[in-house]
Order: sequence, then structure tokens, then C-alpha cells
Amino acid sequence: QTVVTQEPSLTVSPGGTVTLTCASSTGAVTNGYYPNWFQQKPGQAPRALIYSTNNKHSWTPARFSGSLLGGIAALTLSGVQPEDEADYYCLLYYGGAWMFGEGTKLTVL
Amino acid sequence: QVQLQESGPGLVKPSETLSLTCTVSGGSLSSGNYYWSWIRQPAGKGLEWIGLIYTSGSTKYNPSLRSRVTISIDTSKNQFSLNLSSVTAADTAVYYCAREFTYWGQGTLATVSS
Repeated sequence: QTVVTQEPSLTVSPGGTVTLTCASSTGAVTNGYYPNWFQQKPGQAPRALIYSTNNKHSWTPARFSGSLLGGIAALTLSGVQPEDEADYYCLLYYGGAWMFGEGTKLTVL
Repeated sequence: QVQLQESGPGLVKPSETLSLTCTVSGGSLSSGNYYWSWIRQPAGKGLEWIGLIYTSGSTKYNPSLRSRVTISIDTSKNQFSLNLSSVTAADTAVYYCAREFTYWGQGTLATVSS
């Protein structure tokens, strides 16, 4: 049973920097897992932020960036804004099937 | 810009089949080499990928749901659909459709209850 693990919750101060991570129980995450990141606020549909590890959509704020860090997919928010408080989900590709991470609740406090 | 809208009965009885449709507007479903996905989210829980379909009709399903899921596409209506059979209360969730995880519908709540 494959599991994609994210931090359950993180807290960051406004203006600060925070890194959310996404690990696979199968081993190191590589570009071949095409990591995606999504933001979801209460009562809303998820919004795509990052695709294929580090590519931003046209609407993705510049303060969001994706990367691979030592075999883990990462989403870094630099200069966090109050409106960044949300749930964040990663998504990994497993050769024909996709799997979401368990999600990280980010609190801006 | 492409928009997606889910539709279907909000209430389904246990053991029956849940059927949902996603209508695509702002572009032709058959243009471009895209895939179209279904994702669900039980209340207060995380996202679960259900499956996807290419314009060609080729499909990929979540292994945990494969035996109960069918996704189909109707390019003439600019729609794709989800059928989930033998539903139980555990299938109660908000169901989303999406184009390549980039553009998402607003979601529709499907409740399984007698």
C-alpha cells in the first residue's frame, strides 16, 4: 500500500518562509513522479499551484516555488501572506496512477 | 478559459450506482491532447484520485476503486462521466472533475444513504 506523506500541520508567521514536503513510501521522489501541488481553502475546490516539480501556472504567485530536496518533493512559500492560510496537497504519479498526499494544514499566525 | 461543471443526483442508495457528469465549456473536450480526471473528497478529509480518461477513450483508474469505476467520454456533448457501482456510505464525498488537475469544477456532493 503506497502512502504519500505530508506534514499534518505547519505554522508560519506573516512574512516568513515555510517549506512543505511530500514523501513517497516507495522511495525517493524524482521528476518522474511529476509532483503537483494544490491549495484548498474551506468550501472551495482545490487550486493548482505547481506541476511537474517546479512549474508554475499563470496564476501562481511568485512566492510559491516547487523543488526536490533529497528525494522529497517540496513546496516553499517565501514571504507568506495571511491569505496563504489553507490546506495544501501534493500529488504524485505512479506509472499510470496518481496519488494525493494526506495534506498539510498551513496556519499563518 | 475552460470551465467544468459537475452534475448528478445528490443522493444515492447503498448498493446502487453513482452516476455523475462533467460538462466542459470554453473549449472543446476533444481538442488538445488532454486527460480528464475525477477526484473526490469526503467531508473533512483529503483528496482521492478516482481515475482519468483521454480523449481517445483510454482510461486509468485508482487500483483501490478499479473494480467499481467506469469513466466514459462523449465528445459530441463535451462531457465525460463517472459511474461508481455498489456504493456504500464510505463513497459519500464531494466529487470533482478536472482537466489534467489544472482546471477544476466546483464539486458536487454525493451522499449515499437509504
